[in-house]
Amino acid sequence: EVQLVESGGGLVQPGGSLRLSCAASGFSVSNDFVSWVRQAPGQGLEWVAIVYASGTTYYADSVRDRFTISRDGPKNTVYLQMNSLRVQDTAVYYCARSEISSSVFDYWGRGTLVTVSS
Amino acid sequence: SYVLTQPPSESVAPGQTATITCGGDNIGSKSIHWYQQRPGQAPILVVYEDDDRPSGIPERFSGSNSGNTATLTISGAEAGDEGDYYCQMWDSNSDHWVFGGGTRLTVL
Repeated sequence: EVQLVESGGGLVQPGGSLRLSCAASGFSVSNDFVSWVRQAPGQGLEWVAIVYASGTTYYADSVRDRFTISRDGPKNTVYLQMNSLRVQDTAVYYCARSEISSSVFDYWGRGTLVTVSS
Repeated sequence: SYVLTQPPSESVAPGQTATITCGGDNIGSKSIHWYQQRPGQAPILVVYEDDDRPSGIPERFSGSNSGNTATLTISGAEAGDEGDYYCQMWDSNSDHWVFGGGTRLTVL
């Protein structure tokens, strides 16, 4: 059974950093795609970043040069390193799986809340 | 990058048919997916690749996609269908993954 469990959220000041983790089971993060998707309070879903099976990464314009997605194959975990955080980055962050070469997010985690505030 | 446009809200009477639209330039040439999000919960996939249903999703949920509009149809709407619905696609021109703004469905 595919499962995704996010962790690492919390309260951080503007300009600070945070690293989120997405622990996967039931599939290999090295063989499929894993994305981070966020949802600001009362707002819609926003795709943030993706790591392909090849290791190639892509980012939304709003986070490029501040966020870095990476993975650890042996730990079967995907990370999101978030630097230079802004108040507007406050959101629930979900990780989601896509089968290789698929554009659909077929499994989602329950999310972790990141609050950027002074 | 590509923009997907959804109405902010729709309402439907119990037992009737709800339709939620997702507009985009020549969207009929794209592969569109739909997610349901109940309050306080993570999204779940209800329709993928325009008109396919994942296992466990009732046949009441169906999709279509043509021209400039993709549509999610919920037949025999139930109170449990209330929530936010999002369309989504992959934009090959930008390698960005795009969501519509979401539609809040009320069953009343």
